[in-house]
Amino acid sequence: AQKITQTQPGMFVQEKEAVTLDCTYDTSDQSYGLFWYKQPSSGEMIFLIYQGSYDEQNATEGRYSLNFQKARKSANLVISASQLGDSAMYFCAIPNLNSGYSTLTFGKGTMLLVSP
Amino acid sequence: DTEVTQTPKHLVMGMTNKKSLKCEQHMGHRAMYWYKQKAKKPPELMFVYSYEKLSINESVPSRFSPECPNSSLLNLHLHALQPEDSALYLCASSQQGGGTEAFFGQGTRLTVV
Repeated sequence: AQKITQTQPGMFVQEKEAVTLDCTYDTSDQSYGLFWYKQPSSGEMIFLIYQGSYDEQNATEGRYSLNFQKARKSANLVISASQLGDSAMYFCAIPNLNSGYSTLTFGKGTMLLVSP
Repeated sequence: DTEVTQTPKHLVMGMTNKKSLKCEQHMGHRAMYWYKQKAKKPPELMFVYSYEKLSINESVPSRFSPECPNSSLLNLHLHALQPEDSALYLCASSQQGGGTEAFFGQGTRLTVV
């Protein structure tokens, strides 16, 4: 069974600073991927970034990057130059590959608050 | 068009009512999902449809009845709900195959009174 652990219930950061949101995972799959989603108060789950377990380089998407450490089973999200609009809940998720679909197991989430 | 549209955005219903949640996508995805999300919790999978057939039912009570009329539409029919069913209901779609990105809608905030 897949498991995602996000140990930070809440994080605070000042505008324009960088912040790291932690995520560790457990899976028995040899090949897997990890997703990060952002959920503002409006409710929509917004895809941010994806890391494949065999990708040699850490994924980056604009201000988002993944600090992927396979041996430690961690996939931390780094947000550079935080903006007020980054205030939201952030979920790390791993797909259940055995299902043949993109069913996701989510961590408990980290609420990020960006202050001016 | 990378969008999943859910209607209504908000719904208040009584325990004896029958209502339906709707989800639509035009990305050609053949897998569609319903998730339930309680406040301050992560989403939990309810149903998966693949090629318009129900593939996964995560032991969801029968008062929730999913339907996939065609490859673009996914409905969730609600009947005789309980107050504890109040939650955000999220629809998602993806390409077939595990590990592909799932696109989510904005969700329907359901309150059962």
